[in-house]
Amino acid sequence: GDSVTQMEGPVTLSEEAFLTINCTYTATGYPSLFWYVQYPGEGLQLLLKATKADDKGSNKGFEATYRKETTSFHLEKGSVQVSDSAVYFCALSNTGNQFYFGTGTSLTVIP
Amino acid sequence: EAEVAQSPRYKITEKSQAVAFWCDPISGHATLYWYRQILGQGPELLVQFQDESVVDDSQLPKDRFSAERLKGVDSTLKIQPAELGDSAMYLCASTGQGASGELFFGEGSRLTVL
Repeated sequence: GDSVTQMEGPVTLSEEAFLTINCTYTATGYPSLFWYVQYPGEGLQLLLKATKADDKGSNKGFEATYRKETTSFHLEKGSVQVSDSAVYFCALSNTGNQFYFGTGTSLTVIP
Repeated sequence: EAEVAQSPRYKITEKSQAVAFWCDPISGHATLYWYRQILGQGPELLVQFQDESVVDDSQLPKDRFSAERLKGVDSTLKIQPAELGDSAMYLCASTGQGASGELFFGEGSRLTVL
């Protein structure tokens, strides 16, 4: 079945450091890929998405490129801020509107 | 901006009691989901509705959990009787035409079973 595997955390970085969170997927067909972010005590909110191979999703300085050849959708940010501290979830959706989430990666950015 | 509404935000109950959660999706969203999120883990699908019909409830523990969406709009998730292992965040999400394939989440209902 469809699934998502993402880098386990927690991840602790200093402010302005470079961030990479790895995500790989298994799916039949051509899924859409997402990164969701969850701040403490809140629900998940969409960070960025890509709907086809080679698409790059971007938002708030974060980027991820849909790589079909490596079945990956790694999240990157060039310079993290304290306000980026949150849990990040990689997810995919298939043609049946079924969504599958990774286990989440907790990021803490220290000043 | 339209939001997915959930209530209650927090619920503390004793084991063997009944608990109910309510969700009102974004207007016009035909697909509604209930997820359970245990602390430190990703959301796990409990049930997916398309309008008033259940599309997938394969992971719903049907001996104690039930979900309904009678008019295809808002939805209720019930647990009876609650067990200690049910302590988790229960998230409602919706999507539909015009959502560009995105899933919109509510703030969740945190359940603590004592």
